[in-house]
Amino acid sequence: KAGVTQTPRYLIKTRGQQVTLSCSPISGHRSVSWYQQTPGQGLQFLFEYFSETQRNKGNFPGRFSGRQFSNSRSEMNVSTLELGDSALYLCASSSLGATNEKLFFGSGTQLSVL
Amino acid sequence: GENVEQHPSTLSVQEGDSAVIKCTYSDSASNYFPWYKQELGKRPQLIIDIRSNVGEKKDQRIAVTLNKTAKHFSLHITETQPEDSAVYFCAATYEGAQKLVFGQGTRLTINP
Repeated sequence: KAGVTQTPRYLIKTRGQQVTLSCSPISGHRSVSWYQQTPGQGLQFLFEYFSETQRNKGNFPGRFSGRQFSNSRSEMNVSTLELGDSALYLCASSSLGATNEKLFFGSGTQLSVL
Repeated sequence: GENVEQHPSTLSVQEGDSAVIKCTYSDSASNYFPWYKQELGKRPQLIIDIRSNVGEKKDQRIAVTLNKTAKHFSLHITETQPEDSAVYFCAATYEGAQKLVFGQGTRLTINP
């Protein structure tokens, strides 16, 4: 089975722009969650989707949004980028969700905001 | 909301010695506690997990213990090897949360 795939691997944007990140889960996995990783804050939960429905959302501003498609692929969007949004964005997939089983992480998208 | 504190933030041990990383959680409803290892430039990977109905779990050189009363859990690595060098994250969650709350991470360095 192919692992979790995230694209693009690296992104450089300027303040005020918007960005869309993509995540393809392991085949058969219906849960996709997103985490922001920064050196000082560790991994912070953004949101989780299951069968196209958002089941939980972390404490991030409304500039951060996401969605999931019928094939379980997920995208997250950040609008009006700020310098503090620079981070590694990781997505993770599982069959049912984080509270029941192992999460499989992608390699992440490294976002730099200048 | 749930909060997970992890200590120490950095840990350096001699090859062959043991390493212990400790985490404390705040939400008494938490019932699933995984540990993830992230090597430099790589994705986090689950190495061991424990549920609240179990006090201890072992997998070769790795063990995790859970003290529900004190709301803390620990990762124990024995006979450390250079390939154990990585950042380790503890996490906690509860049924229905659909998210993991991670600790801040511990950078473990194994000195030859």
